[in-house]
Amino acid sequence: KQEVTQIPAALSVPEGENLVLNCSFTDSAIYNLQWFRQDPGKGLTSLLLIQSSQREQTSGRLNASLDKSSGRSTLYIAASQPGDSATYLCAPPFGNEKLTFGTGTRLTIIP
Amino acid sequence: NAGVTQTPKFRILKIGQSMTLQCAQDMNHNYMYWYRQDPGMGLKLIYYSVGAGITDKGEVPNGYNVSRSTTEDFPLRLELAAPSQTSVYFCASSSSRDWGYPGELFFGEGSRLTVL
Repeated sequence: KQEVTQIPAALSVPEGENLVLNCSFTDSAIYNLQWFRQDPGKGLTSLLLIQSSQREQTSGRLNASLDKSSGRSTLYIAASQPGDSATYLCAPPFGNEKLTFGTGTRLTIIP
Repeated sequence: NAGVTQTPKFRILKIGQSMTLQCAQDMNHNYMYWYRQDPGMGLKLIYYSVGAGITDKGEVPNGYNVSRSTTEDFPLRLELAAPSQTSVYFCASSSSRDWGYPGELFFGEGSRLTVL
């Protein structure tokens, strides 16, 4: 069974700061890992899918890294904006066809 | 391109009633999933399907049933609704990648169900 932990559970930072969200997982035999964002009352939106062979994946101000050997992934957000306020969830696979979700980090960017 | 469409968005049920949550995707994805999300909790997998005619249980399947007669549709049936089934339900789909791993997941907007 894949266990996923996201730390911190909540984070508030002033606008413009760079920040890092952490994700750890117990089963490191994974092929890829996904990061999602969820706005209040909405569904999840995929942000990044990082393959284990890539180690890093970038999209705009977002950068995700993956270290299978240590069972960790990080999501780096550069130059944060109020529109980045949301809950961020990481999801490594469990078995081949399924994803397991962490409980997320609730991010608030203070204008 | 509508993506993943869920209906209804909101529903109130009485204990013991039954209903079906509908999910349709137009991306020709072979993988489809049903998750539930309770307040302050992560998403829990209820059922999933890797293709038409194939379904399998997730972490919390009790009280639910699914079918997958077409690639596009993956309805979730609640039989004998209970207050513990009050939750937000999300349907998702993806293509399959190497070794059967899911690609990018696309989610519907969710169906908020209350059982009184």
